[in-house]
Amino acid sequence: SYVLTQPPSVSVAPGQTATIPCGGDNIGSKSVHWYQQRPGQAPVMVIYFDTDRPSGIPERLSASNSGNTATLTISRVEAGDEADYFCQVWDSTKMHVVFGGGTKLTVL
Amino acid sequence: EVHLVESGGGLVQPGGTLRLSCAGSGFTFSSNAMTWVRQAPGKGLEWVSALSGSGNTTYYADSVRGRFTISRDNSKNTLYLQMNGLRAEDTAIYYCAKDLANVVVNGFDHWGQGTPVTVSS
Repeated sequence: SYVLTQPPSVSVAPGQTATIPCGGDNIGSKSVHWYQQRPGQAPVMVIYFDTDRPSGIPERLSASNSGNTATLTISRVEAGDEADYFCQVWDSTKMHVVFGGGTKLTVL
Repeated sequence: EVHLVESGGGLVQPGGTLRLSCAGSGFTFSSNAMTWVRQAPGKGLEWVSALSGSGNTTYYADSVRGRFTISRDNSKNTLYLQMNGLRAEDTAIYYCAKDLANVVVNGFDHWGQGTPVTVSS
């Protein structure tokens, strides 16, 4: 089955840039969606179809998808960005939704 | 504004049954596929099942296939998850989520707050 691999944790100082990778076999050929989940809250979509931002999501959040890695980038990181981030794709071979294991972003 | 409200969770013994509901509002319910995602305590997100806008096409994770049934009543703007043969490993918060599109599963642009399910004797 299709597997998405994320690092368990990423740490960054306020004002710096955080990059969260999501690895998968030829993931560049799939549409990737990203979610932010703050402690005790439901997930929120922050990126859809590789690079698009839903309304209300700041431009500081951006993403790319190519080859075997999709990447979520958070510029000018703020304390409020501290959360878990999950990538997600649709595996059309198995007709399954696949989530990455999630990355905990810590703002130092 | 889109709202999704889950209900029906609770404590159930192994082998028992529960039916979760998810009431949607603020959008044309039949125009979007819907999905259930669960999250075990301290763990990541696990997809459970998805259903097209019409209700004609269903998808299930291998871990629940044959035990869970997803359905919807578009006249009531409600999504359901019938869970039979519950196991301890089904213990999780269950979220319903609205898909970006009607048929093929895409991403999920709105989520409910979740309903907890605990399977324990």
